[in-house]
Amino acid sequence: GDSVTQMEGPVTLSEEAFLTINCTYTATGYPSLFWYVQYPGEGLQLLLKATKADDKGSNKGFEATYRKETTSFHLEKGSVQVSDSAVYFCALKGGSNYKLTFGKGTLLTVNP
Amino acid sequence: DADVTQTPRNRITKTGKRIMLECSQTKGHDRMYWYRQDPGLGLRLIYYSFDVKDINKGEISDGYSVSRQAQAKFSLSLESAIPNQTALYFCATSDPGQGGPQHFGDGTRLSIL
Repeated sequence: GDSVTQMEGPVTLSEEAFLTINCTYTATGYPSLFWYVQYPGEGLQLLLKATKADDKGSNKGFEATYRKETTSFHLEKGSVQVSDSAVYFCALKGGSNYKLTFGKGTLLTVNP
Repeated sequence: DADVTQTPRNRITKTGKRIMLECSQTKGHDRMYWYRQDPGLGLRLIYYSFDVKDINKGEISDGYSVSRQAQAKFSLSLESAIPNQTALYFCATSDPGQGGPQHFGDGTRLSIL
């Protein structure tokens, strides 16, 4: 079945540091890939998505590229801010076209 | 107003009680979902519904039931709550496209003593 593996946290960075959160997946066919962010006390918000190989999703300075050859969708940001502190989830929607399969989440803390 | 609204936001109750969590949406989506979130486990699908007459079990449906009262409303019930159902519960909606994301409510934090 489908699965998502993302780097375990917690990740602690200083403001303006470079962020990478690794995400790899296993799926049949050509899944759509997503990054969601969960701020404290809130639900999950879509951060970015990519629907086919080599697509780059981007939003709020975050980027991720759909790499089919390495089955990866790593999240990056060039300069993090304290306000980026949150839990980040990688997810895929596979051939079933209804079910989102989530990674376990990565807690990011950014210190001033 | 939020597109996906969950009530209550917090609930503390006792073992054996019947609990209902409610979800309503204004996005006009046919597809609705219930998930639970546990620390270190991510989100797991409890039930999903493609329309009012199409309800399906997810990966962890035991101990739960759902009701789709209308396109906009999808309720989750715990018939006889037990402590290991203590978790954060999320409702979500989506459109049917392959690339369509799911849209989440703010969650219900449920504690069962």
